[in-house]
Parts: sequence; structure tokens; C-alpha cells
Amino acid sequence: GQNIDQPTEMTATEGAIVQINCTYQTSGFNGLFWYQQHAGEAPTFLSYNVLDGLEEKGRFSSFLSRSKGYSYLLLKELQMKDSASYLCAVMDSNYQLIWGAGTKLIIKP
Amino acid sequence: KAGVTQTPRYLIKTRGQQVTLSCSPISGHRSVSWYQQTPGQGLQFLFEYFSETQRNKGNFPGRFSGRQFSNSRSEMNVSTLELGDSALYLCASSLDGRLAVPYEQYFGPGTRLTVT
Repeated sequence: GQNIDQPTEMTATEGAIVQINCTYQTSGFNGLFWYQQHAGEAPTFLSYNVLDGLEEKGRFSSFLSRSKGYSYLLLKELQMKDSASYLCAVMDSNYQLIWGAGTKLIIKP
Repeated sequence: KAGVTQTPRYLIKTRGQQVTLSCSPISGHRSVSWYQQTPGQGLQFLFEYFSETQRNKGNFPGRFSGRQFSNSRSEMNVSTLELGDSALYLCASSLDGRLAVPYEQYFGPGTRLTVT
């Protein structure tokens, strides 16, 4: 079966750095996505990786290792507004997105 | 450019009833996907429509159905509602789910369905 694993919850301090991991087993691979979802709101797109390596976009970076079935989202200089759930999703060979259950990130002052 | 819109935003139904939810994608987007989101379960894929055709389907019972119109607007229907159908139903649109790299999906605000 297809499976996406990510931690349920993480806590970090304002101004610090946090890394959210995601491991996956899917039927084929057409890219990995990270989305941010604030409570009561719709998910919003953060990043897309299809090749191995690190993609940097401002305070957020996303890394992919296809051979290991592994990705992480790195958030730097954490701000209170970064408190949200972070969703990892993989597009399989049928171009269907398989979603992890999400990681709830709590930022403390 | 206007975002994805979903109506209604909130809905309360009784077990056994049926419900229809509507989604209007971003102008120019031809692919519409539907998801069910429940606490702790993450997003569960229901189906994807492209050019009025169902292109992909998740593992949901036949009570869940959908359609897409020529203007790319989409509806999903749930018949014979069960208590377990209570969830946030999200619609997402993209240019083309397969050809437009990076296949980014834009989500609507969702319809929160409560079944009593």
C-alpha cells in the first residue's frame, strides 16, 4: 500500500529552526509537495521537489532524497505565524496526491 | 484572479439525507480534485475531474459521486449520509493535474459538513 509518515506534533521556539521530516512509500513518484494549513483554513502551497536536493525559498527550504523515500521541510527564524499544520504529499504514478496526516507545529515565545 | 470558491461553507444534515457541494475553480483551471479531511486522518482523495470526465478516483464508497460542467465548475454528491461523513470537504483546482508542472493545487476554503 501507499504510505506517507510524518510526526504528529512538534514544538519549537520563536526565532529558532525546525525540521519536519516526511518518509514515503508510493506506487511511482511524480514529485513531493509541502503545504501549510492554518487552523480553520485551506492548505496553501509551500514547495515542490521532484529532483534530489535542496530547494530554498526565503525562510523555508525543502529537501528530497528519492532513493531514501525521504523529505524534510526546514523552517528558519521561526515566527508565531508559522504555527500551523504542515502537510506532506506525494504524487504517485497515476498523478494522484497521497497525503500524510500532517504535522502540527506549535511555536512558543 | 479570484481563488477557488466553495458553497456552502457550512452544512448540517441528518443521517440518511443526501447533500450536494459545489466548487468553482480558478479561471482557466481545468482540473478539479475533491478531498475529505478529518482530524488525525489527513486529506483523503475522493476524485479528480478534468474536462468533464472523472480521471481519478479514491477508495470511497459509491455513495460519493461527482461531476464537472463545461465551465469546469464541479459538484460532489453524498447520498444516504452517515455520521462518519462529518468532515471538511475541500476542493482544489489546477491548470492540468498532469501536464502543468509543478502540478500545484489551489484549495478552496472547504465545506464543513456535520451529520447528526
